[in-house]
Amino acid sequence: SAVISQKPSRDICQRGTSLTIQCQVDSQVTMMFWYRQQPGQSLTLIATANQGSEATYESGFVIDKFPISRPNLTFSTLTVSNMSPEDSSIYLCSVGGGTSGSQNTGELFFGEGSRLTVL
Amino acid sequence: AQSVTQLGSHVSVSEGALVLLRCNYSSSVPPYLFWYVQYPNQGLQLLLKYTSAATLVKGINGFEAEFKKSETSFHLTKPSAHMSDAAEYFCAVSRFSGGYNKLIFGAGTRLAVHP
Repeated sequence: SAVISQKPSRDICQRGTSLTIQCQVDSQVTMMFWYRQQPGQSLTLIATANQGSEATYESGFVIDKFPISRPNLTFSTLTVSNMSPEDSSIYLCSVGGGTSGSQNTGELFFGEGSRLTVL
Repeated sequence: AQSVTQLGSHVSVSEGALVLLRCNYSSSVPPYLFWYVQYPNQGLQLLLKYTSAATLVKGINGFEAEFKKSETSFHLTKPSAHMSDAAEYFCAVSRFSGGYNKLIFGAGTRLAVHP
């Protein structure tokens, strides 16, 4: 398993501002995944960050709103830009870790999350 | 496309009673299936996983789940609930896209345990 640290753990932000969330992993990983969990909801995949290439965004999420950096194999950032109250959520960083034979199973390890409240 | 449906957004049991959380999946290929638990103000922790080995999977904290292909189900059970089991539980299925597997989560089931 991997140990994942996220900063900040929580923050209160003003409408129209941007916030960058940092994710640090204690081992080198190829893929990092960013999820959003809106209040009382399940997790939705925002994007996949592969070191050395542009992040791949899921339907409904765009780079201008959620720019992601992946400068090395242990670190990534997610920025939530021009925030509105609808962006109030928990943002979770995760990394893959499971294999079945030679295939990755999709199993993920999660950080504690960053709880954002936008006023 | 792969998806999971969790039946029951809230489940309430008495301490010592059986816990049963339901999950049905949809997948065109043999799936990888997972149960995660989220305690208040924490991230997600893996309870157990099915990766095409034994159909009865045992996890942490006394939980287990059985993969039933004929019923497309992966229900989570625990014989005797503890107060500490109160949490949100998520069922997830892997979806192969873009060259790797991603996790698709169900809506979640909040488990309450009463004395």
